[in-house]
Amino acid sequence: ETGVTQTPRHLVMGMTNKKSLKCEQHLGHNAMYWYKQSAKKPLELMFVYSLEERVENNSVPSRFSPECPNSSHLFLHLHTLQPEDSALYLCASSQGSGGAADTQYFGPGTRLTVL
Amino acid sequence: QKEVEQDPGPLSVPEGAIVSLNCTYSNSAFQYFMWYRQYSRKGPELLMYTYSSGNKEDGRFTAQVDKSSKYISLFIRDSQPSDSATYLCARGAQGGKLIFGQGTELSVKP
Repeated sequence: ETGVTQTPRHLVMGMTNKKSLKCEQHLGHNAMYWYKQSAKKPLELMFVYSLEERVENNSVPSRFSPECPNSSHLFLHLHTLQPEDSALYLCASSQGSGGAADTQYFGPGTRLTVL
Repeated sequence: QKEVEQDPGPLSVPEGAIVSLNCTYSNSAFQYFMWYRQYSRKGPELLMYTYSSGNKEDGRFTAQVDKSSKYISLFIRDSQPSDSATYLCARGAQGGKLIFGQGTELSVKP
């Protein structure tokens, strides 16, 4: 496996379910990100982890709970979601220099549908 | 005003046409810009990045930054059906964050 991988690729869940999204990066990067991509909207940054420490939480509802056990893995735990949470959830990683030129590399995303 | 504005399209062109994709930005503090290409049902992939003003060329693709007008452009020469995708512009920001435009959907017709 190379680059950034995400599982599952598709997920359908009810509003009362609990599920988790997984991201793994094979690039030796130190920073990882979760984004939400909805139709016709810019990518919304949800969480940023640098060296396994959360450094950004962009006012994301508590029904989304991130976890970064090490610099290669990132999870997004989901519970009691709403239909408006249906979107493509993208994971990205970067070298983690913290500068404005820190290029991010994306995974293929998980297409989430909340019924 | 959005930090990065991009016409969502869709933009449809015939094969072989020159394509011009554009974004405007409002914050001049950071001068690092990126173009990502996103195919349907895939994640964005980095296409090009530029720093400050000027042009950068890579094969059929040219990225251009005009600081005076806060305008960034991506030109695609000799466009191909395989170029059909959504193109996202982004600006680098403090802490390694990226500020994205909403993307322009491009369709190149054979």
